[in-house]
Amino acid sequence: GENVEQHPSTLSVQEGDSAVIKCTYSDSASNYFPWYKQELGKRPQLIIDIRSNVGEKKDQRIAVTLNKTAKHFSLHITETQPEDSAVYFCAATHSRLSGTYKYIFGTGTRLKVLA
Amino acid sequence: NAGVTQTPKFRILKIGQSMTLQCTQDMNHNYMYWYRQDPGMGLKLIYYSVGAGITDKGEVPNGYNVSRSTTEDFPLRLELAAPSQTSVYFCASSSHGQGLYGYTFGSGTRLTVV
Repeated sequence: GENVEQHPSTLSVQEGDSAVIKCTYSDSASNYFPWYKQELGKRPQLIIDIRSNVGEKKDQRIAVTLNKTAKHFSLHITETQPEDSAVYFCAATHSRLSGTYKYIFGTGTRLKVLA
Repeated sequence: NAGVTQTPKFRILKIGQSMTLQCTQDMNHNYMYWYRQDPGMGLKLIYYSVGAGITDKGEVPNGYNVSRSTTEDFPLRLELAAPSQTSVYFCASSSHGQGLYGYTFGSGTRLTVV
């Protein structure tokens, strides 16, 4: 079935360094790729997304890149800060003709930014 | 707007008991979803609905039931609770009719079955 693989499962970086999280999807029909940040005990919050007709999207310190040929997409966080510490989830739409827009989520990356 | 509201926030059930997790949204979103998140794990889709009166199974539907009688409400029913259903449950909604794809999540229900 459809699958989204996410790596790494944990990532520690020094404050100010960059962090990169990668996801690979299996359904070539996927056309929307959101990223969610989940702080401890909180709900997931959408931080950035990209559609299949775009290769890269930036929003201040975060950016997402998409390689449709290789079926992978990545989250890039620059100049990391302690408040970036959280679990990050990627997702891909499992978009059928019926337009159900179900997400398949990756297993998450726990990012720790060390002060 | 309150967004997506889930109740209760916490619940302890005994094995074999039943309960309903409530979810309501005030954004007039047509799509609603129920996910479970086990400790240290990702989100697994239980059930979803594309509109009032329409529901369908996700990846892990066994032991659960849903209904969607109105656009606003999407309750999740647990029958005969089992320890394997100990998890955090998130309800989410989205509106694709306006070209918005992102989910809005509720604050979650932490359920423990003992």
